[in-house]
Amino acid sequence: KAGVTQTPRYLIKTRGQQVTLSCSPISGHRSVSWYQQTPGQGLQFLFEYFSETQRNKGNFPGRFSGRQFSNSRSEMNVSTLELGDSALYLCASSLGGGSSGYTFGSGTRLTVV
Amino acid sequence: AQTVTQSQPEMSVQEAETVTLSCTYDTSESDYYLFWYKQPPSRQMILVIRQEAYKQQNATENRFSVNFQKAAKSFSLKISDSQLGDAAMYFCAVGSQGNLIFGKGTKLSVKP
Repeated sequence: KAGVTQTPRYLIKTRGQQVTLSCSPISGHRSVSWYQQTPGQGLQFLFEYFSETQRNKGNFPGRFSGRQFSNSRSEMNVSTLELGDSALYLCASSLGGGSSGYTFGSGTRLTVV
Repeated sequence: AQTVTQSQPEMSVQEAETVTLSCTYDTSESDYYLFWYKQPPSRQMILVIRQEAYKQQNATENRFSVNFQKAAKSFSLKISDSQLGDAAMYFCAVGSQGNLIFGKGTKLSVKP
């Protein structure tokens, strides 16, 4: 079966712009989580959606937001981009939680210039 | 707050030998799961092994096994018969509902 699909793979944006990243989970998975990976901070949890509801949220500013659609696809939006937002953004899907494990996508590499 | 510590930034192992990667954690959750993920240069995070905290039996997956010491909050990964394809960054993670806390990672090199 198809894995977790993230689009686009690479993105270059200018400071102050906004960006939307997409994540399509494995068919049947209802939970989608987002992570930011940087060399300095490592992997940090952004938020998790389950059945279109945000179930958990990490410690990121309000410029980072997300949503989940009825087909479980999720989008993450970052407004007013800053240079420090340059990172690899990973999403992970799961049937419902830790008991079933989390499958990650290949990520979107965002560069803010 | 949950924390995960991987004290070995880099490790090296000879092909066919055994290596153990260390991980300690702290959590106030009573129900949680522990994971080891592998991230090769392709950047795809690959699940290596999963352990339920309520299970005392250590998880095993082929050449990969864990030593889970709940009281000590320790969760180490043992890789037996190391192969060149095992070379990657390895991340330890702890969490429950889609909220995983990751360690900083251990870069594993495998020497032929």
